[in-house]
Amino acid sequence: LAKTTQPISMDSYEGQEVNITCSHNNIATNDYITWYQQFPSQGPRFIIQGYKTKVTNEVASLFIPADRKSSTLSLPRVSLSDTAVYYCLVEGANQGGKLIFGQGTELSVKP
Amino acid sequence: NAGVTQTPKFQVLKTGQSMTLQCAQDMNHNSMYWYRQDPGMGLRLIYYSASEGTTDKGEVPNGYNVSRLNKREFSLRLESAAPSQTSVYFCASSETAPSGLVTDTQYFGPGTRLTVL
Repeated sequence: LAKTTQPISMDSYEGQEVNITCSHNNIATNDYITWYQQFPSQGPRFIIQGYKTKVTNEVASLFIPADRKSSTLSLPRVSLSDTAVYYCLVEGANQGGKLIFGQGTELSVKP
Repeated sequence: NAGVTQTPKFQVLKTGQSMTLQCAQDMNHNSMYWYRQDPGMGLRLIYYSASEGTTDKGEVPNGYNVSRLNKREFSLRLESAAPSQTSVYFCASSETAPSGLVTDTQYFGPGTRLTVL
């Protein structure tokens, strides 16, 4: 399972766009990139998943370059409620669902 | 539809005591997981069950046992609790991904905060 590296923490202000980059140099052909969000005292929650190029949903966008060695989670116009830890995971299909969580990026949104 | 539920929410044990953490899901998922999260750390997989009747070790299985009681329930047992097992425990579930398709979303419970004195 490929290891991921992401910044430990980031600060932002309400209304700004936040981009969190994750590197996964050893990603395999069958691996997908998944992001989870965790609020304090809660379990993680799925945000978005992608394989290549760009994926967008109602919460975020995920940008994946052609070499797939990194990915960027983009949160448009963050609010205070987006303060959370964001985890980037690389997981292969049919690997029993085993997820490797790194330390994640602690995003702090200020007024 | 409650999703994934865990009991208890909080527990304090003395070293050497035993206890079972309960987890249930009502989404008809095949796969269930137990993780632990230590302060400032990501989650680490303890055990998982890909389907009813099967269990496998994850990254940190020592000191724990699990039982997949039925499709809905997956319990985690600490036979002789140690201070190193002080942590927040999360249960999760997911549908089993068909071969070659996008991996499943995991749905997490609210967690159990365990302190071992």
